[in-house]
Amino acid sequence: QKEVEQNSGPLSVPEGAIASLNCTYSDRGSQSFFWYRQYSGKSPELIMFIYSNGDKEDGRFTAQLNKASQYVSLLIRDSQPSDSATYLCAVKSFQKLVFGTGTRLLVSP
Amino acid sequence: GAVVSQHPSRVICKSGTSVKIECRSLDFQATTMFWYRQFPKQSLMLMATSNEGSKATYEQGVEKDKFLINHASLTLSTLTVTSAHPEDSSFYICSASATNTGELFFGEGSRLTVL
Repeated sequence: QKEVEQNSGPLSVPEGAIASLNCTYSDRGSQSFFWYRQYSGKSPELIMFIYSNGDKEDGRFTAQLNKASQYVSLLIRDSQPSDSATYLCAVKSFQKLVFGTGTRLLVSP
Repeated sequence: GAVVSQHPSRVICKSGTSVKIECRSLDFQATTMFWYRQFPKQSLMLMATSNEGSKATYEQGVEKDKFLINHASLTLSTLTVTSAHPEDSSFYICSASATNTGELFFGEGSRLTVL
């Protein structure tokens, strides 16, 4: 079992819709969870991090964490074509950041 | 936000040569830096954890004699790919952990092409 799993996609949504990205992790002791966005050929950029169970909102982005079920999700409201990218879920485990393979999101105009 | 600078951003070299990539934290001190490698359409794979003033900790399967890491100061870590071969062609990304907050910042990445 991979440490951090994501559906590779692509996830296609129309402009203005809500995009829902999911991630599961195997290390039950993980404490910190991150969502990064990566455009092709570029380095990842941090979108959000979450430590506690529940929801955390920042603008159009909402991160959701459920430690009991070991999943973390990212919702993007009012999706824009510029949101088209690969979204990487990362979990901090033993001081190391472990990445999922990423979900490719395509937002069509 | 904090800035991590990586240099060079692109490098093309001949097989058998060595290539050095630098990672600098520009406005904060980084006790720990991490080196990742990313192949096309794959995720970031951690290669090693670099701690200032001590030897790097390599992940399983990463050859420490091939990928030399030096973290001589709180703002600079270097990765040297020795005797590079075409299969070493990849996108190498460093990240730095701010000593005071633990927050992680990524460099812009270095694309290595070995001919």
